Amino acid sequence: AQSVTQLDSQVPVFEEAPVELRCNYSSSVSVYLFWYVQYPNQGLQLLLKYLSGSTLVKSINGFEAEFNKSQTSFHLRKPSVHISDTAEYFCAVTTGTASKLTFGTGTRLQVTL
Amino acid sequence: GAGVSQTPSNKVTEKGKYVELRCDPISGHTALYWYRQSLGQGPEFLIYFQGTGAADDSGLPNDRFFAVRPEGSVSTLKIQRTERGDSAVYLCASSLRRGSAIDFGPGTRLTVL
Repeated sequence: AQSVTQLDSQVPVFEEAPVELRCNYSSSVSVYLFWYVQYPNQGLQLLLKYLSGSTLVKSINGFEAEFNKSQTSFHLRKPSVHISDTAEYFCAVTTGTASKLTFGTGTRLQVTL
Repeated sequence: GAGVSQTPSNKVTEKGKYVELRCDPISGHTALYWYRQSLGQGPEFLIYFQGTGAADDSGLPNDRFFAVRPEGSVSTLKIQRTERGDSAVYLCASSLRRGSAIDFGPGTRLTVL
């Protein structure tokens, strides 16, 4: 069975500052990793994913995450956040043969002026 | 194109009542998932359908919960004898096939009084 740990339940940050949202996973087999974002009063949206290949993956709105197998991590970063990035961010994992995603408890990113 | 849709968006019921939650997946998506998201938590897997059959129902909490997908498209999650602890947002998701990226619906917020 796999599990996901998001160490920070809330991350307050000023606009234009950099941010890192931490995600660690546990699995005995190879994994696929995802970050989902949930904006206020909206559904979950896929932000980015790691399936194979390059360990650094990027989203269209400036976020990136790096798969680190040795540290079993998939931290999400953005060099300069915007007010509109305020949302709940969920890290999720699945294995190559499993059909279900296992989610972390989420990190609320609060961007202020 | 149209995303995953769920009805109703909100459902308030009394303890002991029966409820049905409906999910319309993206057209052509063969895999369908139900998740439950309690306040302050990440989504928890309930059940996964591949076509008409439940391929994995290991997340259903007890026999009060049941889901069907009789024609391989629309799915209904059924909860008998509802309890206050069943209050949560019930999320439906679909994917083109097992292992593909999963698209989530907006959810149904269930409140059991």
